[in-house]
Amino acid sequence: GAGVSQSPRYKVAKRGQDVALRCDPISGHVSLFWYQQALGQGPEFLTYFQNEAQLDKSGLPSDRFFAERPEGSVSTLKIQRTQQEDSAVYLCASSSAGDNEQFFGPGTRLTVL
Amino acid sequence: GQNIDQPTEMTATEGAIVQINCTYQTSGFNGLFWYQQHAGEAPTFLSYNVLDGLEEKGRFSSFLSRSKGYSYLLLKELQMKDSASYLCAVRDGKLSFGAGTTVTVRA
Repeated sequence: GAGVSQSPRYKVAKRGQDVALRCDPISGHVSLFWYQQALGQGPEFLTYFQNEAQLDKSGLPSDRFFAERPEGSVSTLKIQRTQQEDSAVYLCASSSAGDNEQFFGPGTRLTVL
Repeated sequence: GQNIDQPTEMTATEGAIVQINCTYQTSGFNGLFWYQQHAGEAPTFLSYNVLDGLEEKGRFSSFLSRSKGYSYLLLKELQMKDSASYLCAVRDGKLSFGAGTTVTVRA
């Protein structure tokens, strides 16, 4: 079956531009997570959804970062007025209810010039 | 906050055994995970421990001691394809990852 998909796979933005990153979780997975992974580091938690409810957004680094999952499936991570320090791989993961394993997507590599 | 430590790099020979240690200090604990991540790819799940002891899954085993805040991942009969980064992660509601250990397998 289809895994977690993310688009675009690569994004180059000029500093100050807004970007939107999309995540399609595995069908039926109620939990969805966003992570930011800098080069040579482990993923850092950004935010968590259960269905359409955003239950934890404590990892979002600033108010320029915004995530939504309006219908409880597809999610979008939006970054406004991008800065060079936003350059990273943004990973999305999903899991089913009561499942310990999170399934990760391939990530979107964002480069801010 | 969360503090998860693992070695940065390890090198081993094909067919050998490598043990990757992970120590953690976290405000809460609800399970420890190991993930494998090849360069440029997504992390993939390897193992999960929530109780003390050893979990074996084929060539990979993972051990947990909650009282010591310690885990290790044991990779046996190393193959070239095992060259990757191995991430230790602790769940306290959300997952907190270590920086990863890059394992290089040499012929």
